[in-house]
Amino acid sequence: AQKITQTQPGMFVQEKEAVTLDCTYDTSDPSYGLFWYKQPSSGEMIFLIYQGSYDQQNATEGRYSLNFQKARKSANLVISASQLGDSAMYFCAMREIRGGADGLTFGKGTHLIIQP
Amino acid sequence: GAVVSQHPSRVICKSGTSVKIECRSLDFQATTMFWYRQFPKKSLMLMATSNEGSKATYEQGVEKDKFLINHASLTLSTLTVTSAHPEDSSFYICSASSASGSLGEQFFGPGTRLTVL
Repeated sequence: AQKITQTQPGMFVQEKEAVTLDCTYDTSDPSYGLFWYKQPSSGEMIFLIYQGSYDQQNATEGRYSLNFQKARKSANLVISASQLGDSAMYFCAMREIRGGADGLTFGKGTHLIIQP
Repeated sequence: GAVVSQHPSRVICKSGTSVKIECRSLDFQATTMFWYRQFPKKSLMLMATSNEGSKATYEQGVEKDKFLINHASLTLSTLTVTSAHPEDSSFYICSASSASGSLGEQFFGPGTRLTVL
């Protein structure tokens, strides 16, 4: 079973509109972290936002906010006032504590295209 | 934010040769480094977790004898693809974390694109 599910392979959005990228996750660990990364065509992974499983409030970073619904195991990324430069692949990822530091498990990604 | 570099950024090699990729944390000490690979239009897949001074932990299905990982210092980890074949062609990305065993952020390098002819 997939641990991170991103159901939107691609999205087209008009510039200046808000966009929500979906992410659901599956874990039995009580402690975990959820991340969103942006990957432009250059390939670099750009960290956007982080939500800890015990955080009471939804994370926000500038135009990015994370809609964390723990009971539903969802961690959607919301980008407000989208810009042409937001066009990129977006990956949701999860980090679980399994006896020490572990790498991230990534979803398949959403290719976001912002149209003028 | 913290900076992680990778070298080389791009490498083309002949089948059967070995290729070494370096991952460096430039402004912090990385207790743990991670190696991922990404096929075109696919997601990142964790290959191995590397803690400084100890043997790397490989994910299921990753051949440890083919992908040699060394984490000799708190700022450097290397991935050596031994006897490379065309199916090893991929984008290899490292990340580094300064908080072992916690939910700390990982900082990614810019990636290395390997093409095996």
